Amino acid sequence: DIQMTQSPSSVAASVGDRVTITCRASQDITSWLAWYQQKPGKAPKLLIYTASSLQSGVPSRFSGSGSGTDFTLTISSLQPEDFATYYCQQANSFPLTFGGGTKVEI
Amino acid sequence: EVQLVESGGGLVQPGGSLRLSCSASGFTFSNYAMYWVRQAPGKGLEYVSAISTNGGSTYYTDSVKGRFTISRDNSKNTVYLQMSGLRGEDTAVYYCVKVKSVYQLLYSDMDVWGQGTTVTVSS
Repeated sequence: DIQMTQSPSSVAASVGDRVTITCRASQDITSWLAWYQQKPGKAPKLLIYTASSLQSGVPSRFSGSGSGTDFTLTISSLQPEDFATYYCQQANSFPLTFGGGTKVEI
Repeated sequence: EVQLVESGGGLVQPGGSLRLSCSASGFTFSNYAMYWVRQAPGKGLEYVSAISTNGGSTYYTDSVKGRFTISRDNSKNTVYLQMSGLRGEDTAVYYCVKVKSVYQLLYSDMDVWGQGTTVTVSS
């Protein structure tokens, strides 16, 4: 199974800050990586697919980069509605696996 | 509007069974693979199972193999998760998820999620 390791597990930030979350895969997944945002009590929401493509309707302050084993999600200027937990997920092979999550807190 | 609505969750005793249903609308259901993903209380996301467009290919995470069965009825726009031999560690919110890319079972992302249905396994 491919292990997905996210860091940090939590980050405290302020509105307007630039936030970077990293995700490392235990083996090469080329660009088959997605990022999701989840707010308490809600279903996850797709933000980024194939490592760097912005899902329709997602603000442009979100961006993704990377390939192979190392990936990054960047929020260029944190907004109040961005405080949430973020997960990476590999779509390269079954079983699909998620990172442990990164909670972005005030 | 693309929508997924899960049902069938509830409280069940260890060793019991439950069938989850997910009704889809707003898209051509038969063209998309579907997944089930779960989230235990206070924990992260865990992939459970996947099914291809025609139901001919299915995949499971190791911890549910032999106990859970995924199926679909394209005439009813519905995907199911039959769960048996339930254990405490199966307690979670179960999400039905649509795959983003048409006809793809793998190499695609999860673009539409249901609201989730809660399964609690306890005596």
